Amino acid sequence: QKEVEQDPGPLSVPEGAIVSLNCTYSNSAFQYFMWYRQYSRKGPELLMYTYSSGNKEDGRFTAQVDKSSKYISLFIRDSQPSDSATYLCAMTSGGGADGLTFGKGTHLIIQP
Amino acid sequence: EPEVTQTPSHQVTQMGQEVILRCVPISNHLYFYWYRQILGQKVEFLVSFYNNEISEKSEIFDDQFSVERPDGSNFTLKIRSTKLEDSAMYFCASLIRDYNEQFFGPGTRLTVL
Repeated sequence: QKEVEQDPGPLSVPEGAIVSLNCTYSNSAFQYFMWYRQYSRKGPELLMYTYSSGNKEDGRFTAQVDKSSKYISLFIRDSQPSDSATYLCAMTSGGGADGLTFGKGTHLIIQP
Repeated sequence: EPEVTQTPSHQVTQMGQEVILRCVPISNHLYFYWYRQILGQKVEFLVSFYNNEISEKSEIFDDQFSVERPDGSNFTLKIRSTKLEDSAMYFCASLIRDYNEQFFGPGTRLTVL
């Protein structure tokens, strides 16, 4: 059973649309949840960081965590062509020693 | 804004050769990590390092791999005898102790021929 599942896409939406990206996971020990953005052959760039369940908003981005369903989401409002990238979810049980467990990433395309 | 840096950006080597990948973590960060990403695959955790010793390692991180912090700024990953399947992007990351936000470097693309 894969620990973190994420639809690889591609997901193509028109400029200005609301984008919804999701991950499911199986390990109930995960407590910290992140979303990274990755451009082709570049390093992951941290977008959002959430601890436990709940919502967090930062500008056009909203991260949601539902630990009871083992489901996390990232919403992008007023999407722009510059948002086109691969979005990776990542999670860890906590403690600095723990490495992150990543999803495979969703390739997002925002059409002008 | 401080960032993680990595050198070289691209390394080409022959199978069986040793390679050393270098990273300079963010200066006040205390935990350091190596990850790899094989083309088209997930980012995978290799090892974490704290207080000059390995904290955790994955099953990928076998005896062919080693890490070192040779001075106050650099953090290195050594692969002793490279295999074709070691070809991947290798990312260094660092974290300040009180938060779980890991910041990644731009990566080193390793090509083993």
